[in-house]
Amino acid sequence: GAVVSQHPSWVICKSGTSVKIECRSLDFQATTMFWYRQFPKQSLMLMATSNEGSKATYEQGVEKDKFLINHASLTLSTLTVTSAHPEDSSFYICSAAPIDGSSYNEQFFGPGTRLTVL
Amino acid sequence: AQSVTQLGSHVSVSEGALVLLRCNYSSSVPPYLFWYVQYPNQGLQLLLKYTSAATLVKGINGFEAEFKKSETSFHLTKPSAHMSDAAEYFCAVSERGATNKLIFGTGTLLAVQP
Repeated sequence: GAVVSQHPSWVICKSGTSVKIECRSLDFQATTMFWYRQFPKQSLMLMATSNEGSKATYEQGVEKDKFLINHASLTLSTLTVTSAHPEDSSFYICSAAPIDGSSYNEQFFGPGTRLTVL
Repeated sequence: AQSVTQLGSHVSVSEGALVLLRCNYSSSVPPYLFWYVQYPNQGLQLLLKYTSAATLVKGINGFEAEFKKSETSFHLTKPSAHMSDAAEYFCAVSERGATNKLIFGTGTLLAVQP
């Protein structure tokens, strides 16, 4: 149980284009989903927290107009990188927190999406 | 504010040797603490978590961690390393009653030598 999927697992795009990454909780409903960015050999940096049906909360320094987050249902959140540039190349990981409230703040992580912007 | 410090960005052990990965936390309230493992180009997998039920927590793959409030530590151990344990390990802290947000340490890369 508690499986989170991400699609695509990797994507290559041209500079200036937009890329959408999907995060789904497959066997549970998620109150909250999180988006992280990870640079090579570094830790995870929280980009934003999204709650179903409301606007995402972005961490300081993260451009909300560049990284659009939509949390349309209790099992799906999407991250759209708009007008991508080479510096946006990174490993993007999502996670989901179950709705049942007994998870002790536990998050279940997706497998990540490798974005390369040429 | 909460924070996590992982001492040692790289740890190398021989196969069969004890694994000890260090994690110290800072929190103004009793925290929840987690250890995650990440294999190359993959997401994070939960190894174990501390939620105050017991100070010695046993996780998957033979790992365990002990919560020591006096030392503000939550070190991860495994009695005998296996080649398959080679991966990146992250310690994380979360504040009780908060919005599930996790604060991660910088990670420790574990290498296991044959």
